[in-house]
Amino acid sequence: EPEVTQTPSHQVTQMGQEVILRCVPISNHLYFYWYRQILGQKVEFLVSFYNNEISEKSEIFDDQFSVERPDGSNFTLKIRSTKLEDSAMYFCASSRQGVAGNTIYFGEGSWLTVV
Amino acid sequence: KNQVEQSPQSLIILEGKNCTLQCNYTVSPFSNLRWYKQDTGRGPVSLTIMTFSENTKSNGRYTATLDADTKQSSLHITASQLSDSASYICVVSAGKRGGGNKLTFGTGTQLKVEL
Repeated sequence: EPEVTQTPSHQVTQMGQEVILRCVPISNHLYFYWYRQILGQKVEFLVSFYNNEISEKSEIFDDQFSVERPDGSNFTLKIRSTKLEDSAMYFCASSRQGVAGNTIYFGEGSWLTVV
Repeated sequence: KNQVEQSPQSLIILEGKNCTLQCNYTVSPFSNLRWYKQDTGRGPVSLTIMTFSENTKSNGRYTATLDADTKQSSLHITASQLSDSASYICVVSAGKRGGGNKLTFGTGTQLKVEL
């Protein structure tokens, strides 16, 4: 079964450093998402991306975050200057069509630790 | 603000027994409700999706119900297995006018199945 793949699986970075998390969505999917889950808390929406632009973002997704689809297969999340509170599991997800009624497939996550 | 509440927070059952997990939501306008299974440290895996016109959906030993009038859903697991031990998360999405491209996650019910 096709799956969403994410790299790295775990990254430790120093506060203030830039981090790029990478995702390869399922190949025929058109909608891409980033979610995050702080340890012990619920999964939270960050951003959705369609047709090479952000379609929706949450209040968490401030100016230090950006997303990009640099080629036909990768989807990246960049955090410009990491803070301690950015430590979380970041999930990439994709869907064939929009959220309404369509299965959203999640990757296994990238665990980011900011020290 | 869209909210999803789940109960119980945690549950321990014996292998082979059935259980029912509850979800209450406040989403406007409602689009669909999903149940996901999340193993510790892994990405969420979709179990069921229901739109407002559906009141029950099955996937193997999992049966979800939806009452759109009372804004409640349940997930029933029959003949539980040790591998069912995981967090079960109720997830809701709103229609386009309510932020249609994002999922709102509950905090999950942590299920443990014991011998």
